[in-house]
Amino acid sequence: QKEVEQNSGPLSVPEGAIASLNCTYSDRGSQSFFWYRQYSGKSPELIMFIYSNGDKEDGRFTAQLNKASQYVSLLIRDSQPSDSATYLCAVNNAGNMLTFGGGTRLMVKP
Amino acid sequence: DVKVTQSSRYLVKRTGEKVFLECVQDMDHENMFWYRQDPGLGLRLIYFSYDVKMKEKGDIPEGYSVSREKKERFSLILESASTNQTSMYLCASSLWGQQETQYFGPGTRLLVL
Repeated sequence: QKEVEQNSGPLSVPEGAIASLNCTYSDRGSQSFFWYRQYSGKSPELIMFIYSNGDKEDGRFTAQLNKASQYVSLLIRDSQPSDSATYLCAVNNAGNMLTFGGGTRLMVKP
Repeated sequence: DVKVTQSSRYLVKRTGEKVFLECVQDMDHENMFWYRQDPGLGLRLIYFSYDVKMKEKGDIPEGYSVSREKKERFSLILESASTNQTSMYLCASSLWGQQETQYFGPGTRLLVL
């Protein structure tokens, strides 16, 4: 069974701080990695993807990938209350299917 | 904008009933997916379809079946609903080869009594 693990949280950070969300995966052959954001009562939406080792930045979001350690993270700089949501890590191993982690609930306090 | 719609937002059924959940997408996507989402377990893939009449089992297909007679429509069927199928059901679609960019419907919250 291919697994994707996340700390369920909640992760609580003050407004303006950096939020760090982590994800580990079990399949060493995994090719691509994704972060989805899900607001309470809403559907998930894709916010970042990363394919290569290293960092990928998009605005206040940075995805980090370390394939040797089987670890992917999402950093949110200057966290805002509107960033409060559940963040789902997803991994593509082969074909058209994604395996999702359980999600980390982030709370950004004003 | 891609639009994925699901037939119901909330559904209450009795144990043993046959349940149909419908999903329609309007962007001519080849891939369609059915997930269930339960607290702490994230999204778990039930079934996936990459073309009309084609389907593949996901991680938890037991107790479910699917139908894809038209490209835009993907149905999830619970042949005999059970209480452990109480969950949030999410449909998604994507273009062939772009599985990472899955567009999700609003979800159907199913309660089986």
